[in-house]
Parts: sequence; structure tokens; C-alpha cells
Amino acid sequence: EEQLVQSGAEVKKPGESLKISCKASGYRFISYWIGWVRQMPGKDLEWMGVIFPGDSDTRYSPSFQGQVIISVDKSISTAYLQWSSLKASDTAMYYCVRLPTLTIPRMDVWGKGTTVTVSS
Amino acid sequence: QTVVTQEPSLTVSPGGTVTLTCASSTGEVTSAYYPNWFQQKPGQAPRSLIYSTNDKHSWTPARFSGSLLGGKAALTLSGVQPEDEAEYYCLLYFSNSAWVFGGGTKLTVL
Repeated sequence: EEQLVQSGAEVKKPGESLKISCKASGYRFISYWIGWVRQMPGKDLEWMGVIFPGDSDTRYSPSFQGQVIISVDKSISTAYLQWSSLKASDTAMYYCVRLPTLTIPRMDVWGKGTTVTVSS
Repeated sequence: QTVVTQEPSLTVSPGGTVTLTCASSTGEVTSAYYPNWFQQKPGQAPRSLIYSTNDKHSWTPARFSGSLLGGKAALTLSGVQPEDEAEYYCLLYFSNSAWVFGGGTKLTVL
């Protein structure tokens, strides 16, 4: 079964760093794009960016450029989303998604999400 | 900043038909925006229903269909079931770095 398994919930303080993960299984990791989507509490979905594990080609939404880093470790079929200095406004659910291609954009597999809470 | 607008809420009776729309602040939505539609139920991750305007995933129920309607992307549910009550989001593709979700439509089946 093709799936994306995300890391568990995180509770952090403002200013701390964080790296959450998304482990792929059941398919060839390096052949599909992985994207990240944010959903703040009670709010809409927001597209953050996407990475192609085969060559680490990464595209960020302008709203998130410079705010987060998207990366992969091909050896363990895992994608990451990281922050160097968290803010309270980073409190949200974060989903990773699989995209077969960017030519005809579609998202066919979703992770269950990682909840990030940033509070002093 | 590009804004994608959906109806905030709609209500439909079981067995009825309802159309949700997705508009862009940049103007007419065309197939070049590759409209996608997602369903999200409370406490769950979103689920993809429609991509590239009207293409369905293998798991998409036949009662869901996508189209372009009056300059907008549209999602039509025909023969609505109680389990279709959910939030529905559209997504428009503006470029490799600019994909924008709509604000979501809360669909109530009543």
C-alpha cells in the first residue's frame, strides 16, 4: 500500500527549532514529488512548497519562502519540513502529500498530518 | 496576492444535487489552472476527489464531477449522500511556486 506516514505531534516554545518528517512506503520514493500543506486551527489549507526527491528540486510558495526548509533523505525515503526559529503563528496541522507530476498537478496520497503547537 | 474564492457554506437535501464553485481574483478560471477538489471531514486529512478540472481518482465516487462553469471551476455532487457532509476545498495551479487553495465550502446535508 502506498502511504505517507508522518511524525508525531510536537509541542515547542517560540524560538525553538523543529524538523518534522514524512516517510514514504509502498512506492518508488524518488519518482514522485512530495508537497507540504499547512492548516492553521479552524482555518483553510495553504500550499507551502514541493520537492522532488530524485534531485531535491524544491519550489516554495512565496508565502513560505525563507520561513521553512523542505528537504529529503533518499536513503530512508523520508521528506522533512523544518523551522529554525518557531513562532506562535506556526501552530498548525501540517500535511505531506504525494504528487506524481507537476505537469498535471494532482495529489493522490496524503499523510495523516502532524500537529505542531508553539506556545510559551 | 491571488485569492481563490468559494461559497462559505451550502446546504443540500439527501438525494439532491449541488454545485460548488471556485473563482480566481485574476479572472476566468480555465483548464490551464488544473483545478483540483478535495474533501475534508472533521479530524481527518483532506482527500483528493478531482484533478485537472474533471479527472477522477480511482476512489472518487461517480456522483462527484468537475467542470468549468461561468468562468469558474465547479464541483457537482449528484444524488448527495449523508456521508458527503464535509468541507470542500478547491486548488488552482498558477505556477510551480504558486498553488492557491480556496477558502473552502462547508457542505451540510440536511
